Amino acid sequence: DTGVSQDPRHKITKRGQNVTFRCDPISEHNRLYWYRQTLGQGPEFLTYFQNEAQLEKSRLLSDRFSAERPKGSFSTLEIQRTEQGDSAMYLCASSRTAETGELFFGEGSRLTVL
Amino acid sequence: GNSVTQMEGPVTLSEEAFLTINCTYTATGYPSLFWYVQYPGEGLQLLLKATKADDKGSNKGFEATYRKETTSFHLEKGSVQVSDSAVYFCALRPGGSQGNLIFGKGTKLSVKP
Repeated sequence: DTGVSQDPRHKITKRGQNVTFRCDPISEHNRLYWYRQTLGQGPEFLTYFQNEAQLEKSRLLSDRFSAERPKGSFSTLEIQRTEQGDSAMYLCASSRTAETGELFFGEGSRLTVL
Repeated sequence: GNSVTQMEGPVTLSEEAFLTINCTYTATGYPSLFWYVQYPGEGLQLLLKATKADDKGSNKGFEATYRKETTSFHLEKGSVQVSDSAVYFCALRPGGSQGNLIFGKGTKLSVKP
């Protein structure tokens, strides 16, 4: 399977703990996106990378959130000092270029903060 | 600002019924418009798109026409199947942007045999 893969698929943590999610995009894709989706809502943009450069960040990405893509391949999204409001599905997507607008999504990482 | 509004679900139809899911948008400039679909247990995937006014996107029997005058991009299918049961998301990419997509809340469709 050469699609976008995310790990872990489900994470349960206690409030105040740190969590990290990993995304492996489709190998030839140079753009990588992170979205957050809560129940009954559409995906909300968090940030995106072109290669290793983080080009845009949403105001939703508070200072407790950090994303990296150190070698322009896989990416990590870390949430520090988690809060119950961080409970959501975190989606990763990748694309080859921006022109088509077609993003390929992974199945997501579900975070539950107790 | 940029936003997408789509009809609330869930929508329940019988097999072979006609489907319309309404989507309207607010955007500056000339956005590109998309419909994404999420089948149970799977990631979102692109269903169809239109990049300029009056363009019609189509795929798998689904169609949507980019109507600038009504700022709409309604999804239609003439005869739905049980396998079309999924959540459908309308989305836009702002004109001149090379970044993110802005999604609607999604509409869940259930098709009964």
